[in-house]
Amino acid sequence: GAVVSQHPSRVICKSGTSVKIECRSLDFQATTMFWYRQFPKKSLMLMATSNEGSKATYEQGVEKDKFLINHASLTLSTLTVTSAHPEDSSFYICSASIRDRGWVMNTEAFFGQGTRLTVV
Amino acid sequence: RKEVEQDPGPFNVPEGATVAFNCTYSNSASQSFFWYRQDCRKEPKLLMSVYSSGNEDGRFTAQLNRASQYISLLIRDSKLSDSATYLCVVNTGQGGKLIFGQGTELSVKP
Repeated sequence: GAVVSQHPSRVICKSGTSVKIECRSLDFQATTMFWYRQFPKKSLMLMATSNEGSKATYEQGVEKDKFLINHASLTLSTLTVTSAHPEDSSFYICSASIRDRGWVMNTEAFFGQGTRLTVV
Repeated sequence: RKEVEQDPGPFNVPEGATVAFNCTYSNSASQSFFWYRQDCRKEPKLLMSVYSSGNEDGRFTAQLNRASQYISLLIRDSKLSDSATYLCVVNTGQGGKLIFGQGTELSVKP
């Protein structure tokens, strides 16, 4: 199956610093990628849709200035958590789907391995 | 009302048991449906897609009832390795956006 690689898998940072997380589609082009976060024992919550060559679409309640998304190429999307605080500590995970006939519909999503962020 | 809602769990069952998970979704325009499995601290992995005609993959059977907006997953002859959180996932058709249920934790005991 398709492979999505996410890096880093784990990061610990100090409050106030910024952290960049990369999501790469290794063997396919992903014009759209999705970013989720997951709190312990909770489900994945969609944060934003990353669109290659255009602005990301953020879900309600997600601060776009806090979570900067850049999708500069067909294989790479990045999420930067700016001025991180302890409450930003979470599991962040990206996904991408292979487009079928020009738009994504019935295909499964392929997930990156996730990034566990701890802000101290 | 949550867009995708699952049995709260956790389910604790002995090896060999049959266990059923239920899921409902609110958006009648939803277009495709999946069950994913997530192990602790790992990314979700696709278990199976769910089709209106129902589909089976070994010990796993998935059903979809579009009229009732209801999805189910049946696991027969549970194994210890089936212990995980099972996520009901709906593709709303909005550019591939997936909506996840809160997950149902399954623990299979010897």
